[in-house]
Amino acid sequence: EAEVAQSPRYKITEKSQAVAFWCDPISGHATLYWYRQILGQGPELLVQFQDESVVDDSQLPKDRFSAERLKGVDSTLKIQPAELGDSAMYLCASSLVGLNTGELFFGEGSRLTVL
Amino acid sequence: SQQGEEDPQALSIQEGENATMNCSYKTSINNLQWYRQNSGRGLVHLILIRSNEREKHSGRLRVTLDTSKKSSSLLITASRAADTASYFCATDGSNDYKLSFGAGTTVTVRA
Repeated sequence: EAEVAQSPRYKITEKSQAVAFWCDPISGHATLYWYRQILGQGPELLVQFQDESVVDDSQLPKDRFSAERLKGVDSTLKIQPAELGDSAMYLCASSLVGLNTGELFFGEGSRLTVL
Repeated sequence: SQQGEEDPQALSIQEGENATMNCSYKTSINNLQWYRQNSGRGLVHLILIRSNEREKHSGRLRVTLDTSKKSSSLLITASRAADTASYFCATDGSNDYKLSFGAGTTVTVRA
């Protein structure tokens, strides 16, 4: 069964360092999402891509976060510099249809701990 | 900000019992989805119900939607230990189509 691949699964870093997360969506899924999930809370959308274009990044802290999906396939989310409050699970998801009208397929997530 | 709010925050039941959790939301929606998340893992889609539907079933899951009350419920019948997880509702606004998740209900099924 096709899956959304994410790496790394776990990342421990010190504040002010740079971190990067990678996501490979299910083949053929044009829409890709990055969510942040703080422990005990629900996922919060950071950025949404339709192919290689950003559809929504209104909740992305652009002073330190960046995301790209250059060829419209896999995607990278970067944080520089990392802050203590960035400790969270970063979830990537993809969907076949756009406009959030269908099922999202999630990866296993990347757990970030900032010391 | 999160549109949906699940209730209760946590639920503990005996294996074989039914589990019911509720989701309330604030603005009109196109559809509402329920997801499950096992500890430390990604979310798994359970069921999607459209705004013009009132009830939907999938295996041991039953979802209802009341758009007049802006609320939904998820019923898990004959619960099993493997149902232990957090359950989230997610809604997409009819104006912006942004999918927003609630804070979730943590369900513990005791053997």
